Amino acid sequence: GNSVTQMEGPVTLSEEAFLTINCTYTATGYPSLFWYVQYPGEGLQLLLKATKADDKGSNKGFEATYRKETTSFHLEKGSVQVSDSAVYFCALTEYGNKLVFGAGTILRVKS
Amino acid sequence: DSGVTQTPKHLITATGQRVTLRCSPRSGDLSVYWYQQSLDQGLQFLIQYYNGEERAKGNILERFSAQQFPDLHSELNLSSLELGDSALYFCASSGRLPASGNTIYFGEGSWLTVV
Repeated sequence: GNSVTQMEGPVTLSEEAFLTINCTYTATGYPSLFWYVQYPGEGLQLLLKATKADDKGSNKGFEATYRKETTSFHLEKGSVQVSDSAVYFCALTEYGNKLVFGAGTILRVKS
Repeated sequence: DSGVTQTPKHLITATGQRVTLRCSPRSGDLSVYWYQQSLDQGLQFLIQYYNGEERAKGNILERFSAQQFPDLHSELNLSSLELGDSALYFCASSGRLPASGNTIYFGEGSWLTVV
């Protein structure tokens, strides 16, 4: 079945550092790919998405490019802030069905 | 605010009891999903409804059941509760047609603690 693998955390960075959180997927067909973020004590929020190969999703300084050849959707941000501390989930969906999530990556940003 | 409303936000109950979690999807959304988030299992898909009909089933225990009503709100019923059922339960909804690429929006979740 479809699956998502994320880099294990926690990832600890200093403010203004560059962030990469790796995400790879296994899917039959052509999935849509998502990054969701969960801030402490809150629900899941959509961060960005890409629906076809070579699409780049972006939001709030975060970016991720749908790479079909490497089945990857890595999340990047050029300069992280303390307020970016959260859990980040990579996910995929096909044919409008359920989201399949990765295990989540905890990001801690220190000032 | 995602537009998905869940109640209650927090619930504490005893083992063996039954609870009902309620979800109102975003206006116009026909698909409703239920997920369970626990520390050891991560985010697990439970069940999906589309316009009142069950569409997909995941790792939902037989003690759990759900339904989607004609007004599109959904309820998740959890019975014979065990300590291991303590988790954050999310409801989510998505657009009118289950086409690939539709964004799925999540509510803030219902925290269930079984004591």
